Parts: sequence; C-alpha cells; structure tokens
Amino acid sequence: DAGITQSPRHKVTETGTPVTLRCHQTENHRYMYWYRQDPGHGLRLIHYSYGVKDTDKGEVSDGYSVSRSKTEDFLLTLESATSSQTSVYFCAISDPSTSGGGYNEQFFGPGTRLTVL
Amino acid sequence: GNSVTQMEGPVTLSEEAFLTINCTYTATGYPSLFWYVQYPGEGLQLLLKATKADDKGSNKGFEATYRKETTSFHLEKGSVQVSDSAVYFCALSPNTGNQFYFGTGTSLTVIP
Repeated sequence: DAGITQSPRHKVTETGTPVTLRCHQTENHRYMYWYRQDPGHGLRLIHYSYGVKDTDKGEVSDGYSVSRSKTEDFLLTLESATSSQTSVYFCAISDPSTSGGGYNEQFFGPGTRLTVL
Repeated sequence: GNSVTQMEGPVTLSEEAFLTINCTYTATGYPSLFWYVQYPGEGLQLLLKATKADDKGSNKGFEATYRKETTSFHLEKGSVQVSDSAVYFCALSPNTGNQFYFGTGTSLTVIP
C-alpha cells in the first residue's frame, strides 16, 4: 500500500471555525490531490498540487485553501467552516514517472470524516 | 471534455451471481481507464486498469475491457462473493495534465 496518512481521521467542529486537514505521504510522489466525497456526487476535486508551492483549483474550490511547503505534506484549510462542508475528505497522490507507462494512477489515503455543526 | 458515466445503484445480488457494472466515458485523446473499489470506512483502492484500446484489466476475478469503439469500460465478475460488497468507481485519466475524472460510484451488496 502507498504510504499515505491523513490526520485527523475524524473531526467535529462548529460553523465559523477554521479547520486544517493534513495529508502526509512517504512515496515522494509529485502530485497530491484533495477530494471530497458526498452521496450522489462521487468524488469531487477540491485542489491539487503539482509540486512544492505549486497548487491549482479543482471543481469545488470555493471556501477551501491549500498549501504545500514540502513534498510530503499537503494541507487543506477551511477558513471558516460551514455545514455544507460536512463531508469525507480524501487525499490522493500520483506520479506518472513512476507508473511505468506514464499514466496517472492515483493512490488514496484513508479519509477524514468532517462534521460541521 | 472529459467525463465518466456510471451505472447507478444500488445493486443487490445473491452470492455466486454474475456482476456487470456499466461505465462509459467521454474523453479527448487516449485516456487510461480505471476501476477503484471502496470498502466501508476505507479509502479507494485500485482494482484494475487498462491503458490502451482493447486492453483487458483483471484482478481478484474482476475484469474490464477498454472498448474505444463504444467508449466503454464495463466491470464484470462471474461469481460474486459477500466480501465483494463495496462501492465501485470508474475513472479516467486523460494522460495529459494530471487530473482524474470519477464516476459517481455504484454500491454493490452481495447477500448470502
């Protein structure tokens, strides 16, 4: 299994509070992603990173920010949490240069269940 | 653009039944195609993949064939087990850029 951990695994917070989720990898993969998973929507991309300090927005980036100060860590911040951000958050990593065929296979962390009251 | 359309669930089957979960895609260029499985309370795990037309991906008794002419990548298994109960996601990677596109997932429950 790819070495990807997420912390915390579960969090309950209140509306208006800031929240930071952490993704840590030991695979030295270049790309890192944050998704949210909601019933009926599957997985939706929030933000991704293609290198240290290089990030870009995904499909549902409003209300979220990210930072990547070193290869192994990718942080997702909810500046002011809202109830609509209650979800399960998954981190993923990939690196086409390691796949053998140049394709972009993604490996997922175990997820963080966030509840905003 | 790129997108994946997946058969809606939930799907309930008896043990040893035949499984098909349909997946079709829209893509520019020549994408790679994937099936991921998510067991309760866990993250997604890669189940199988195919990187070019006519390739067949297989793993744990599951198979899927990359059909360019019908833009499909249907998942099949000849005899399901209770332990196959999970949510299955079809996905594509365009191989240019670095994003993935997922279907909405199909929940499978296998009853003894």
